[in-house]
Amino acid sequence: QVQLVQSGAEVKKPGASVKVSCKASGYTFTSYGISWVRQAPGQGLEWMGWISAYNGNTNYAQKLQGRVTMTTDTSTSTAYMELRSLRSDDTAVYYCARDVVTKVDYWGQGTLVTVSS
Amino acid sequence: DIQMTQSPSSLSASVGDRVTITCQASQDISNYLNWYQQKPGKAPKLLIYDASNLETGVPSRFSGSGSGTDFTFTISSLQPEDIATYYCQQYDNLQFTFGPGTKVDIK
Repeated sequence: QVQLVQSGAEVKKPGASVKVSCKASGYTFTSYGISWVRQAPGQGLEWMGWISAYNGNTNYAQKLQGRVTMTTDTSTSTAYMELRSLRSDDTAVYYCARDVVTKVDYWGQGTLVTVSS
Repeated sequence: DIQMTQSPSSLSASVGDRVTITCQASQDISNYLNWYQQKPGKAPKLLIYDASNLETGVPSRFSGSGSGTDFTFTISSLQPEDIATYYCQQYDNLQFTFGPGTKVDIK
């Protein structure tokens, strides 16, 4: 069965960086993309961007351009999302999800990133 | 960028009621519209894709319709386990946008 397992919760200081991992299993990793979506406490869902696990092409939300980098390691079927220059409003649960072009169909369990001094 | 609106932002209904949520896109998105259910503390779950297609394993009381800019999501007979927030999501030009969500609870 398809599973996406994310790394554990993180606490970071403002200005620091965080890197969240997402290990995929149960399907051919390079046949799909991975989207990253975040959700601030009590708020809605915000799409952050997408990476092709086939060729590494990326497309980031304009709001995060320059601060976010998405990568994959096909040898371990793992996707990564790094966010730099963290601010308090980056505090959120970060989700990875399998991307099927026009939708995402399987989600990771989420990773809480807390930014606090 | 395409903006998504949803209404209502919340609703309260009785078990067995028919529940309808609407989602509007700021420009034509054809049928590139999906619906997700999110229960508290859980990841979202895909229910409806391409406006009207039921994802495998999702109960048939959930349905969707619409195209262009106006879309509707319906629960034909509300069940206690349907208490959740529902989000629409559009796809356009390699970008996703989610609606603000509709919180559904039991009256």
